[in-house]
Amino acid sequence: NAGVTQTPKFQVLKTGQSMTLQCAQDMNHEYMSWYRQDPGMGLRLIHYSVGAGITDQGEVPNGYNVSRSTTEDFPLRLLSAAPSQTSVYFCASSNGGDYGYTFGSGTRLTVV
Amino acid sequence: AQTVTQSQPEMSVQEAETVTLSCTYDTSENNYYLFWYKQPPSRQMILVIRQEAYKQQNATENRFSVNFQKAAKSFSLKISDSQLGDTAMYFCASTTVRTSYGKLTFGQGTILTVHP
Repeated sequence: NAGVTQTPKFQVLKTGQSMTLQCAQDMNHEYMSWYRQDPGMGLRLIHYSVGAGITDQGEVPNGYNVSRSTTEDFPLRLLSAAPSQTSVYFCASSNGGDYGYTFGSGTRLTVV
Repeated sequence: AQTVTQSQPEMSVQEAETVTLSCTYDTSENNYYLFWYKQPPSRQMILVIRQEAYKQQNATENRFSVNFQKAAKSFSLKISDSQLGDTAMYFCASTTVRTSYGKLTFGQGTILTVHP
């Protein structure tokens, strides 16, 4: 099993550019979510999904967009990149309960 | 809303010794899950141990164990016989059963360094 696959691993964007971070899981998990990790702040939830076609905002959703058309995929779109979006981004999936969450390997994004 | 607090930004321990990482949380829910994740320099998030709030017994996974004090809303991680490979950032996290499984709330993290 590949688990949770995130692409790309590294990305540099110019201010104002848009891009999509890809996330795919092959474990048939219902729940998927996106987090950003910043020094001293832990991981903060951006958006999450409890099933195909269902998404909701997390703690820091501004400037990001998501959709979930299939169980497997949960892409994160940056609409107009800003330097404040420089961060490490993680995608995670779960089937709930105490199984915990499986994380992707992360994307380091730098906006200049 | 849930909050998770890790008050120790950094900890260090000698190889083979025991170290305890602290975590407190706040929630109005009765049923929830608590987790400890390890993030080594590779950046990968690795689940270390999990605890369901309704279970009285403290969870144990090999050298890792927790001290779950529900009334005090405390969930500390004890690492016994520390190894160099335990050097990492450790995150405490929680999720509720009722509201949604789709989201975790994390603490700020504790950097643990194991010295030879």
